[in-house]
Amino acid sequence: QSALTQPASVSGSPGQSITISCTGTSSDVGSYNLVSWYQQHPGKAPKLMIYEGIKRPSGVSNRFSGSKSGNTASLTISGLQAEDEADYYCCSYAGSNIVWVFGGGTKVTVL
Amino acid sequence: QLQLQESGPGLVKPSETLSLTCTVSGDSVSITSYYWGWIRQPPGKGLEWIGSIYYSGSNYYNPSLKSRVTISVDTSKNQFSLKLSSVIAADTAVYYCVGGRGGDQNWGQGTLVTVSS
Repeated sequence: QSALTQPASVSGSPGQSITISCTGTSSDVGSYNLVSWYQQHPGKAPKLMIYEGIKRPSGVSNRFSGSKSGNTASLTISGLQAEDEADYYCCSYAGSNIVWVFGGGTKVTVL
Repeated sequence: QLQLQESGPGLVKPSETLSLTCTVSGDSVSITSYYWGWIRQPPGKGLEWIGSIYYSGSNYYNPSLKSRVTISVDTSKNQFSLKLSSVIAADTAVYYCVGGRGGDQNWGQGTLVTVSS
């Protein structure tokens, strides 16, 4: 069982917006602004899409945005495109004893 | 741009030690602002953080693997490595090396390691 909880799947039509949630606890997501989000296409290495909760690495589309409320972080993909179909993982810092924990992953399907 | 490449045996016997190396190009592993780490993914499953090392010498490991994991840096070869001892079938996974600083993060392509006799 993963430390962070994500929905198994989310789907949307091209052009729509979708949001993926990542629920942790007050010991990880709720305590630190250190949630990152990864996109992984089949057979490929994950790619960092959001770090420190809301920041986008250089080159990542501004259609991807991150937010947090309490113990839940969220990734929103706006203007959904076929190329966004992939698995998405959240990851949070969890303190010096545990350090980094991942969510179980969410499969995004573009209808 | 930073590039990372994993190398090592693709098959390891149960109870033996898994050893992987990540060769870094494009910059030095000794730059103090960088972090280096390993993440694995069992076939068909999610990601699991294994551990990270900073050039300052600080190491951080997943508590569930801590007793079996060592991550180290070899500045002379511009590499960092992973050793996982006493492996079992559940350690079968694609192993990724990761490095960077802040949002400038780079991953290797991953290498499948199978634990089997």
